[in-house]
Amino acid sequence: GESVGLHLPTLSVQEGDNSIINCAYSNSASDYFIWYKQESGKGPQFIIDIRSNMDKRQGQRVTVLLNKTVKHLSLQIAATQPGDSAVYFCAENVDMGSQGNLIFGKGTKLSVKP
Amino acid sequence: DTEVTQTPKHLVMGMTNKKSLKCEQHMGHRAMYWYKQKAKKPPELMFVYSYEKLSINESVPSRFSPECPNSSLLNLHLHALQPEDSALYLCASSLGGQGSPYEQYFGPGTRLTVT
Repeated sequence: GESVGLHLPTLSVQEGDNSIINCAYSNSASDYFIWYKQESGKGPQFIIDIRSNMDKRQGQRVTVLLNKTVKHLSLQIAATQPGDSAVYFCAENVDMGSQGNLIFGKGTKLSVKP
Repeated sequence: DTEVTQTPKHLVMGMTNKKSLKCEQHMGHRAMYWYKQKAKKPPELMFVYSYEKLSINESVPSRFSPECPNSSLLNLHLHALQPEDSALYLCASSLGGQGSPYEQYFGPGTRLTVT
Protein backbone atom coordinates (compact mmCIF):
# COMPACT_ATOMS: atom_id res chain seq x y z
CA GLY A 1 0.00 0.00 0.00
CA GLU A 2 0.95 3.64 -0.33
CA SER A 3 1.24 5.97 2.60
CA VAL A 4 -1.03 8.91 3.19
CA GLY A 5 0.22 11.89 5.16
CA LEU A 6 2.74 11.07 7.88
CA HIS A 7 1.51 7.58 8.67
CA LEU A 8 3.06 4.45 7.26
CA PRO A 9 0.52 1.96 5.94
CA THR A 10 0.58 -1.20 8.00
CA LEU A 11 0.06 -4.77 6.92
CA SER A 12 -0.73 -7.15 9.74
CA VAL A 13 -0.48 -10.90 9.07
CA GLN A 14 -0.59 -14.10 11.09
CA GLU A 15 2.65 -16.05 11.47
CA GLY A 16 2.81 -18.69 8.74
CA ASP A 17 0.58 -16.80 6.31
CA ASN A 18 1.82 -15.28 3.06
CA SER A 19 2.34 -11.51 2.85
CA ILE A 20 1.99 -9.28 -0.18
CA ILE A 21 3.38 -5.76 -0.09
CA ASN A 22 2.58 -3.45 -2.98
CA CYS A 23 4.35 -0.47 -4.47
CA ALA A 24 3.48 1.94 -7.27
CA TYR A 25 6.45 3.56 -8.96
CA SER A 26 6.52 6.81 -10.81
CA ASN A 27 8.87 6.73 -13.78
CA SER A 28 8.13 4.56 -16.80
CA ALA A 29 11.84 4.81 -17.78
CA SER A 30 13.03 3.18 -14.55
CA ASP A 31 15.11 0.13 -15.39
CA TYR A 32 15.90 -1.44 -12.04
CA PHE A 33 13.96 -2.01 -8.83
CA ILE A 34 14.92 -3.15 -5.35
CA TRP A 35 13.07 -4.17 -2.23
CA TYR A 36 14.64 -3.27 1.12
CA LYS A 37 13.74 -4.30 4.66
CA GLN A 38 14.43 -1.85 7.48
CA GLU A 39 14.20 -2.94 11.09
CA SER A 40 13.95 -0.40 13.88
CA GLY A 41 17.27 1.33 14.51
CA LYS A 42 19.01 -0.28 11.53
CA GLY A 43 19.88 0.62 7.96
CA PRO A 44 17.90 -0.79 5.02
CA GLN A 45 18.78 -4.38 4.18
CA PHE A 46 18.70 -5.61 0.56
CA ILE A 47 16.10 -8.32 -0.04
CA ILE A 48 15.71 -8.81 -3.78
CA ASP A 49 16.02 -6.89 -7.03
CA ILE A 50 14.56 -7.10 -10.52
CA ARG A 51 15.46 -5.50 -13.84
CA SER A 52 12.88 -4.06 -16.18
CA ASN A 53 13.37 -6.83 -18.75
CA MET A 54 11.88 -9.34 -16.28
CA ASP A 55 8.43 -9.61 -14.72
CA LYS A 56 9.15 -12.06 -11.91
CA ARG A 57 12.10 -13.04 -9.79
CA GLN A 58 12.25 -15.47 -6.89
CA GLY A 59 14.52 -15.64 -3.90
CA GLN A 60 14.42 -17.60 -0.69
CA ARG A 61 10.82 -17.23 0.58
CA VAL A 62 10.43 -14.00 -1.42
CA THR A 63 9.12 -13.24 -4.89
CA VAL A 64 9.08 -9.89 -6.66
CA LEU A 65 6.57 -9.21 -9.44
CA LEU A 66 6.90 -6.31 -11.85
CA ASN A 67 4.02 -5.00 -13.96
CA LYS A 68 5.41 -2.29 -16.21
CA THR A 69 2.05 -1.62 -17.85
CA VAL A 70 0.60 -0.20 -14.65
CA LYS A 71 3.95 0.68 -13.01
CA HIS A 72 3.40 -1.68 -10.11
CA LEU A 73 5.80 -3.74 -8.05
CA SER A 74 4.94 -6.30 -5.39
CA LEU A 75 6.87 -8.32 -2.83
CA GLN A 76 5.49 -11.66 -1.73
CA ILE A 77 6.82 -13.27 1.43
CA ALA A 78 5.95 -16.92 1.94
CA ALA A 79 5.30 -18.38 5.39
CA THR A 80 5.81 -15.04 7.15
CA GLN A 81 7.77 -15.20 10.40
CA PRO A 82 8.01 -12.80 13.37
CA GLY A 83 11.52 -11.86 12.18
CA ASP A 84 9.97 -10.47 9.01
CA SER A 85 8.38 -7.64 11.02
CA ALA A 86 9.91 -4.42 9.67
CA VAL A 87 9.28 -1.54 7.29
CA TYR A 88 9.60 -2.53 3.64
CA PHE A 89 10.63 -0.04 0.97
CA CYS A 90 10.60 -0.43 -2.78
CA ALA A 91 13.12 1.65 -4.72
CA GLU A 92 13.43 2.45 -8.43
CA ASN A 93 16.51 3.44 -10.36
CA VAL A 94 15.44 6.42 -12.42
CA ASP A 95 18.57 7.09 -14.45
CA MET A 96 19.25 4.73 -17.31
CA GLY A 97 22.75 3.36 -16.91
CA SER A 98 23.34 5.26 -13.68
CA GLN A 99 25.03 3.56 -10.79
CA GLY A 100 23.02 5.20 -8.13
CA ASN A 101 19.92 7.27 -8.49
CA LEU A 102 17.54 5.24 -6.32
CA ILE A 103 14.22 6.81 -5.44
CA PHE A 104 12.50 5.12 -2.51
CA GLY A 105 8.78 4.55 -2.11
CA LYS A 106 7.06 5.58 1.08
CA GLY A 107 7.28 2.24 2.85
CA THR A 108 4.92 -0.32 4.38
CA LYS A 109 5.16 -1.56 7.94
CA LEU A 110 4.71 -5.32 8.22
CA SER A 111 3.58 -6.66 11.60
CA VAL A 112 3.54 -10.40 12.14
CA LYS A 113 1.27 -11.76 14.85
CA PRO A 114 2.48 -14.94 16.56
CA ASP B 1 33.51 -8.64 4.25
CA THR B 2 30.05 -7.51 3.12
CA GLU B 3 29.65 -4.70 5.59
CA VAL B 4 29.34 -0.94 5.47
CA THR B 5 30.37 0.63 8.76
CA GLN B 6 29.47 4.09 10.03
CA THR B 7 30.76 6.12 12.95
CA PRO B 8 29.61 7.49 15.26
CA LYS B 9 26.32 5.66 15.91
CA HIS B 10 24.86 8.70 17.66
CA LEU B 11 25.88 12.35 17.53
CA VAL B 12 24.49 15.39 19.34
CA MET B 13 25.79 18.75 18.17
CA GLY B 14 25.00 22.40 18.60
CA MET B 15 24.23 24.71 15.72
CA THR B 16 27.70 26.29 15.86
CA ASN B 17 29.63 23.02 16.00
CA LYS B 18 31.64 21.34 13.26
CA LYS B 19 31.54 17.56 13.15
CA SER B 20 32.11 14.75 10.65
CA LEU B 21 30.37 11.48 9.90
CA LYS B 22 32.46 8.60 8.62
CA CYS B 23 31.67 5.62 6.43
CA GLU B 24 33.87 2.72 5.37
CA GLN B 25 33.51 -0.35 3.14
CA HIS B 26 35.99 -3.00 2.03
CA MET B 27 33.94 -4.71 -0.65
CA GLY B 28 35.81 -3.08 -3.52
CA HIS B 29 32.75 -0.99 -4.35
CA ARG B 30 33.43 2.11 -6.43
CA ALA B 31 30.18 3.98 -5.80
CA MET B 32 29.31 5.42 -2.38
CA TYR B 33 26.27 7.37 -1.25
CA TRP B 34 24.93 9.56 1.53
CA TYR B 35 21.21 9.49 2.37
CA LYS B 36 19.15 11.37 4.93
CA GLN B 37 16.19 9.66 6.59
CA LYS B 38 13.61 11.36 8.80
CA ALA B 39 11.35 9.33 11.10
CA LYS B 40 8.67 7.31 9.30
CA LYS B 41 10.00 8.48 5.91
CA PRO B 42 12.05 6.79 3.19
CA PRO B 43 15.76 7.55 2.71
CA GLU B 44 16.44 10.59 0.52
CA LEU B 45 19.55 10.69 -1.63
CA MET B 46 22.01 13.49 -0.84
CA PHE B 47 25.27 12.71 -2.65
CA VAL B 48 26.78 10.05 -4.90
CA TYR B 49 30.48 9.43 -5.41
CA SER B 50 31.63 7.34 -8.32
CA TYR B 51 35.30 6.36 -8.53
CA GLU B 52 36.02 8.95 -5.82
CA LYS B 53 34.46 11.79 -7.81
CA LEU B 54 31.23 13.52 -6.83
CA SER B 55 28.71 12.58 -9.51
CA ILE B 56 25.37 13.54 -7.94
CA ASN B 57 24.53 16.35 -5.51
CA GLU B 58 20.79 16.47 -4.90
CA SER B 59 20.68 20.22 -4.18
CA VAL B 60 21.94 19.72 -0.64
CA PRO B 61 22.70 22.89 1.41
CA SER B 62 26.38 23.81 1.67
CA ARG B 63 26.38 23.19 5.43
CA PHE B 64 26.75 19.52 4.38
CA SER B 65 30.09 18.88 2.69
CA PRO B 66 30.97 15.39 1.42
CA GLU B 67 34.47 14.06 0.94
CA CYS B 68 35.78 10.81 -0.54
CA PRO B 69 39.46 10.45 0.48
CA ASN B 70 39.78 7.03 -1.20
CA SER B 71 37.63 4.28 -2.65
CA SER B 72 36.89 2.77 0.78
CA LEU B 73 36.09 5.90 2.77
CA LEU B 74 33.36 8.49 2.65
CA ASN B 75 32.98 11.44 5.01
CA LEU B 76 30.23 13.96 5.56
CA HIS B 77 31.39 17.21 7.15
CA LEU B 78 28.76 19.14 9.07
CA HIS B 79 28.85 22.83 9.94
CA ALA B 80 26.25 25.32 11.18
CA LEU B 81 23.43 22.79 11.05
CA GLN B 82 19.82 23.55 11.92
CA PRO B 83 17.54 21.56 14.25
CA GLU B 84 15.57 20.37 11.19
CA ASP B 85 18.74 18.59 10.02
CA SER B 86 18.26 16.09 12.85
CA ALA B 87 17.80 12.70 11.17
CA LEU B 88 19.36 9.30 10.53
CA TYR B 89 22.23 9.67 8.05
CA LEU B 90 22.82 6.54 6.03
CA CYS B 91 25.84 5.60 3.97
CA ALA B 92 25.61 3.02 1.19
CA SER B 93 27.91 1.51 -1.40
CA SER B 94 27.49 -0.41 -4.63
CA LEU B 95 29.71 -2.07 -7.20
CA GLY B 96 29.51 0.98 -9.43
CA GLY B 97 30.55 1.41 -13.02
CA GLN B 98 28.60 2.72 -15.95
CA GLY B 99 26.00 0.84 -17.91
CA SER B 100 24.14 -1.03 -15.22
CA PRO B 101 22.81 -0.18 -11.79
CA TYR B 102 23.60 -2.51 -8.88
CA GLU B 103 22.18 -3.14 -5.45
CA GLN B 104 23.25 -0.72 -2.76
CA TYR B 105 24.39 -1.99 0.63
CA PHE B 106 23.60 0.27 3.56
CA GLY B 107 25.38 0.93 6.82
CA PRO B 108 23.52 1.13 10.15
CA GLY B 109 23.40 4.92 10.05
CA THR B 110 24.37 7.78 12.36
CA ARG B 111 21.53 9.20 14.44
CA LEU B 112 22.17 12.97 14.43
CA THR B 113 20.50 15.41 16.81
CA VAL B 114 21.07 19.15 16.35
CA THR B 115 20.29 21.24 19.42
